[in-house]
Amino acid sequence: LAKTTQPISMDSYEGQEVNITCSHNNIATNDYITWYQQFPSQGPRFIIQGYKTKVTNEVASLFIPADRKSSTLSLPRVSLSDTAVYYCLVGEKGGGFKTIFGAGTRLFVKA
Amino acid sequence: GAGVSQSPRYKVTKRGQDVALRCDPISGHVSLYWYRQALGQGPEFLTYFNYEAQQDKSGLPNDRFSAERPEGSISTLTIQRTEQRDSAMYRCASSPQGGLGNTIYFGEGSWLTVV
Repeated sequence: LAKTTQPISMDSYEGQEVNITCSHNNIATNDYITWYQQFPSQGPRFIIQGYKTKVTNEVASLFIPADRKSSTLSLPRVSLSDTAVYYCLVGEKGGGFKTIFGAGTRLFVKA
Repeated sequence: GAGVSQSPRYKVTKRGQDVALRCDPISGHVSLYWYRQALGQGPEFLTYFNYEAQQDKSGLPNDRFSAERPEGSISTLTIQRTEQRDSAMYRCASSPQGGLGNTIYFGEGSWLTVV
């Protein structure tokens, strides 16, 4: 399983765009990149998933360069309610059993 | 059900007692995962089921921990002879197919406190 590295924490202000980068140097050909969000006292919640280039949904965008050794989660115009822990995971689509969460990135959004 | 349901939500037990934590996954979900999460840490993988088959239990910390999913639906995580270090949030998750690439849905968790 590819190991991921993320910043431990980030601070932002309401209305700003936040970019969280995850490194996954050992990503395999069949691996997908998935991001989860976790609020205090809740379970992690799926945000977005991608394989290459760019993926966008109603919540976020995911940018993946050609070498796929990193990925960037982009949250547009964050609000206080986006304060949470964000986890980057790497693994095969439909094939990985041991889904590993790292320590994640704690995002603090200030007023 | 509409989501992953876990019970009990809170459990306080005395050291040395056995506890059983139940997980009712989303209806039809093939895969079921158990995680343990300490305060301020990410979820720690414990074990994984595909239908009724326990395909990976490498995350179970020792032989006091066991899990089963006999009919491929509801699962039970059992901790025997509990110790204070077992105190944590235990989270269950399910997904429609095996593996990371399919979205994993988490339950609200079971808080276990061993006193």
